[in-house]
Amino acid sequence: QKEVEQDPGPLSVPEGAIVSLNCTYSNSAFQYFMWYRQYSRKGPELLMYTYSSGNKEDGRFTAQVDKSSKYISLFIRDSQPSDSATYLCATSGSGSARQLTFGSGTQLTVLP
Amino acid sequence: EADIYQTPRYLVIGTGKKITLECSQTMGHDKMYWYQQDPGMELHLIHYSYGVNSTEKGDLSSESTVSRIRTEHFPLTLESARPSHTSQYLCASSEGGGPYEQYFGPGTRLTVT
Repeated sequence: QKEVEQDPGPLSVPEGAIVSLNCTYSNSAFQYFMWYRQYSRKGPELLMYTYSSGNKEDGRFTAQVDKSSKYISLFIRDSQPSDSATYLCATSGSGSARQLTFGSGTQLTVLP
Repeated sequence: EADIYQTPRYLVIGTGKKITLECSQTMGHDKMYWYQQDPGMELHLIHYSYGVNSTEKGDLSSESTVSRIRTEHFPLTLESARPSHTSQYLCASSEGGGPYEQYFGPGTRLTVT
């Protein structure tokens, strides 16, 4: 079983839609939860991160973590064609190693 | 924008050749990483370094080797390329703080024929 499972998509939505991207994880030691965005032919870039459970909002983006169900979500409001990319969730535990464990990514296309 | 560079961006090479993928960062970050990414698959950590002369293997077994002689430079070498090495290789760096803020380079897409 993979430590982080992510809905693979692809997901295609019209401009202005609310997008929900989701991941589940298995290791209860994970405490840091991140979303990276990867445009075609580019490396991933950090979009948002949260520590432990709760919500975090940044403009049109909201990251949500529910540690009791080991569920991670990213919501995009008023989606734009420029949001078209692959979204990767990632988690990490604490400690000196603190390597990132990535999901396989969800490819999102926002249609104008 | 993150200042981390990878060369070449694309490489097509024959089986048995020795190759070195270059990665450099100008941010002075101590930590550097190499990931392998196949289409539709998660990023797999193959090597990491926490500073000069420090290198460790990651979770994914790899026939590649790395070196870290200078803070800014973290090259990856394949002594004898094989078709199974065909993949995208991503280099990243981070500073000492949280484990989440890794800055990625644009990647090298390697094809071994």
